[in-house]
Amino acid sequence: DSGVTQTPKHLITATGQRVTLRCSPRSGDLSVYWYQQSLDQGLQFLIQYYNGEERAKGNILERFSAQQFPDLHSELNLSSLELGDSALYFCASSTGEMGTQYFGPGTRLLVL
Amino acid sequence: AQKITQTQPGMFVQEKEAVTLDCTYDTSDPSYGLFWYKQPSSGEMIFLIYQGSYDQQNATEGRYSLNFQKARKSANLVISASQLGDSAMYFCAMREGGNNFNKFYFGSGTKLNVKP
Repeated sequence: DSGVTQTPKHLITATGQRVTLRCSPRSGDLSVYWYQQSLDQGLQFLIQYYNGEERAKGNILERFSAQQFPDLHSELNLSSLELGDSALYFCASSTGEMGTQYFGPGTRLLVL
Repeated sequence: AQKITQTQPGMFVQEKEAVTLDCTYDTSDPSYGLFWYKQPSSGEMIFLIYQGSYDQQNATEGRYSLNFQKARKSANLVISASQLGDSAMYFCAMREGGNNFNKFYFGSGTKLNVKP
């Protein structure tokens, strides 16, 4: 158990819908990262927040957005969902801006 | 160019033997970090080992060691005395500094099967 929690574990929704994935980092960790893992794209870095501020952006679509709240939990919002958004979404956290990342169990999203 | 290349899609190793998983990387940034993660069939990502670009010695964590060859831009993972529980996907990753500050790149992974 890495100490990073993600909810929900599984999510099934329809195309065009919007969902919110939630992540609570390890106690004391200020950085939160979001990743998408799909069969055809592999593991893709989406975005990083550090202490509430966006720090780095990867291959995140405009339909996706994220934020980190004052209590350091983070949410990833996915809107206008497409079939290709079906994937495993990981959250990870680290103590500092560039520390080792510890991953949560992931949220498995299925868009029908 | 690929930032992280793992050329072995799948590997087999006999239980109790050592195995090396290959990883090469591409960066022009002098400051970077290299990571290895394990992903069992259950899906979670487990951090194994970290090597910083300025670290003089190869990183070791228990049965895991990282063979860091900076000039060749390789960061191979060595697992000694393989166990059945080592069967999993293994991902090499890199964090860059500089203009690509804090972006992370993952390789396509190597699926390791440990045979009894």
